[in-house]
Amino acid sequence: EVQLVESGGGLVQPGGSLRLSCAVSGFTFSSYWMHWVRQAPGKGLVWVSRISENENTINYADSVKGRFTISRDNANNTVYLQMNSLRAEDTAAYYCVRGSRDFYGMDVWGQGTTVTVSS
Amino acid sequence: DIVMTQTPLSSPVTLGQPASISCRSSQSLAHSDGNTYLHWLQQRPGQPPRLLIYKMSNRFSGVPDRFSGSGAGTDFTLKISRVEAEDVGIYYCMQATQFPHTFGQGTKLEIK
Repeated sequence: EVQLVESGGGLVQPGGSLRLSCAVSGFTFSSYWMHWVRQAPGKGLVWVSRISENENTINYADSVKGRFTISRDNANNTVYLQMNSLRAEDTAAYYCVRGSRDFYGMDVWGQGTTVTVSS
Repeated sequence: DIVMTQTPLSSPVTLGQPASISCRSSQSLAHSDGNTYLHWLQQRPGQPPRLLIYKMSNRFSGVPDRFSGSGAGTDFTLKISRVEAEDVGIYYCMQATQFPHTFGQGTKLEIK
C-alpha cells in the first residue's frame, strides 16, 4: 500500500523555522517526483514546491521562493521541506504528494501536517 | 499562471440525483503532447484531497464509476451520476499542463 506520512508541523513564531518530513512506503521512492501542497484554514489548495527523482529539478511557488527549501533522501525514502522566515500567511496544512509517472500532475496525497505561525 | 475558475461554489443536491461541477481555465489546457492535464480531486470533510479523475476523463484507481469527467480546451465538467452520502465534500479541478500547477477554488457538494 502506498503511504505518505508527514511530520514536523507545529506552532512557530513569525520569523521562525520548521522542517517538515514526509516518509513514504509502498513504492519505489527514487523513481518519483515529489511535491508539497498547502491549504490555509478554510481555503483552497496551493502548490508550494516540487523536486525531481534525482534532485536535478527543483521548483518553488513565488510566495515561498528564497525562504523554503525542498530536499530528499532516496536512501531513507523521505522528502523534506525546510521552512525559514515563516510568516502568518504560511499557516496551513502542508501535504506531501507523489508526482505521477503516468501523467503530468500528482496522484497520491499524504494526510498532511499543520503549521501555525503566530506569536 | 493559469487561473482555474469553478462553478458553482456550492451545490446542494438530493441523494440519488445527479450533480455537475464546471471548471474553466484562463488558457487552453491542451498540451503539445496531445494530452490535456486537467484533473479532479475530492476532499471529504476532515480528510486530505484524493485524486478522482486524471487527464480530464480517466478515473483513478478505486474511484466509483458514477464519477465521470469531460471537456476540452478551457471548459471541463465533473459529473456524478447518482450522488451518495459519501460524496459530500469539496471538489477541486487542477491543471498540470503548464507550470506551476494551479487549482480551482473548490466546489462544496452538500446534501439537501
